[in-house]
Amino acid sequence: DTAVSQTPKYLVTQMGNDKSIKCEQNLGHDTMYWYKQDSKKFLKIMFSYNNKELIINETVPNRFSPKSPDKAHLNLHINSLELGDSAVYFCASSQERTYATPYEQYFGPGTRLTVT
Amino acid sequence: EDKVVQSPLSLVVHEGDTVTLNCSYEVTNFRSLLWYKQEKKAPTFLFMLTSSGIEKKSGRLSSILDKKELSSILNITATQTGDSAIYLCAVEGGTTDSWGKLQFGAGTQVVVTP
Repeated sequence: DTAVSQTPKYLVTQMGNDKSIKCEQNLGHDTMYWYKQDSKKFLKIMFSYNNKELIINETVPNRFSPKSPDKAHLNLHINSLELGDSAVYFCASSQERTYATPYEQYFGPGTRLTVT
Repeated sequence: EDKVVQSPLSLVVHEGDTVTLNCSYEVTNFRSLLWYKQEKKAPTFLFMLTSSGIEKKSGRLSSILDKKELSSILNITATQTGDSAIYLCAVEGGTTDSWGKLQFGAGTQVVVTP
C-alpha cells in the first residue's frame, strides 16, 4: 500500500492554464506539506496543514492555493501557470508537530509539472 | 537566515568503498536534522538526529550529529550500486514557526560503480 500518493505523476500544460495536484496519505498523520523541487534540486517548503488548518505559508505567489478537505488529503491548485512554475512538487506528511517531539516527514512520489 | 550546506556536491566510488557525506547548518534553536535518500522519485527517510539522539545506525548506514560543530556526517560502508542516489540533509529550527519547516541542502550525488 502506498503511504503517500500523488496524482498526476506528470502534468504538461500551457502558460496561463489552471491545474490541480492531489495528495493522499494513509499513514494516519495529522500534518501534510507541499514542497517544490526546482531544476537545481533544492527542495523548498511551500505550505503545511495540520488537521485541515493552514500552519505554514511560505512566500509563495498567491496563484498557488492549497486546500485540505480532511487530514488525509491535501490538494494544490495553481492558477495562471507560468514557465517558472515548472518543477517537481512533492507532498509529504508527518505526525502532528508538537513542542515535545519533532517527527520525520514521509514524501510522496512527486508530480513533475512542465509549463510550455 | 537558516542555511544547510552539504559537501561534496558529488562523488564517484567503487563498490565496497566507504563514503562520508557532510552536512553543516546554521539554524535558530536547532531541533532536528534529517537525512534522506533520493533516487528517481520520492526522498526516502533515513535518519533523524536530535539533541537526545545524536547517533543513529541502520545496517551499513550510520550518522552522527555534532552539535558543537553544527554539523552531521552520513557514513555508508561497503557501498553497493543500489546506494547510488542523491543524499539530502535537512534541518528543522526550534522556534514555534519553524516546526515542521525542513530546510534542505542541495544534496550530495553519490555514484557507486561496479
